Amino acid sequence: AQSVTQLDSQVPVFEEAPVELRCNYSSSVSVYLFWYVQYPNQGLQLLLKYLSGSTLVKGINGFEAEFNKSQTSFHLRKPSVHISDTAEYFCAVVSDYKLSFGAGTTVTVRA
Amino acid sequence: DTAVSQTPKYLVTQMGNDKSIKCEQNLGHDTMYWYKQDSKKFLKIMFSYNNKELIINETVPNRFSPKSPDKAHLNLHINSLELGDSAVYFCASSQDMMGGNEQFFGPGTRLTVL
Repeated sequence: AQSVTQLDSQVPVFEEAPVELRCNYSSSVSVYLFWYVQYPNQGLQLLLKYLSGSTLVKGINGFEAEFNKSQTSFHLRKPSVHISDTAEYFCAVVSDYKLSFGAGTTVTVRA
Repeated sequence: DTAVSQTPKYLVTQMGNDKSIKCEQNLGHDTMYWYKQDSKKFLKIMFSYNNKELIINETVPNRFSPKSPDKAHLNLHINSLELGDSAVYFCASSQDMMGGNEQFFGPGTRLTVL
């Protein structure tokens, strides 16, 4: 079964600074990779996904991620964060029609 | 219009009780899901239905029984509630079972078992 590991449980960052959230996956076959965001007391919302093609994927709210097959990584980046980016971020992979989530990374943006 | 809605938003109950959570999607999707998010925010799939047929049952205790009366609804009934059932339960839907589809999540139901 495929799985994902999010390497950082908490990432504090100052407003307008860049942020990178790290995600590694385990798989020996083609993968579908996702990043979801969960704002406080809300459900999850898709930020972006990689299915195939260009390894640089652009998502909503200025986020982007790069699929790196050799390093089995799918790191999420944003060049300049806002206070409103404070949320929980989940990396996920599809396996056997199931979406398996990483443990999540809590991003706290401070002024 | 809310794409995926759940009721109730909060549910507080005693151990041993039976409760239900309702989910509806107005996106015309074929596939619906139930997830459980524990206190450490870890998310795990419980069930998946495609066109009212059970596709995934992720070794959930049989006290949990999903029911899909039609494609737009997937309800979750829980018998004999236990303390460990306390969590946030999310309903989600996707266009179909294909793995590349986005899943749309409801706002969650926070269940507290006392």
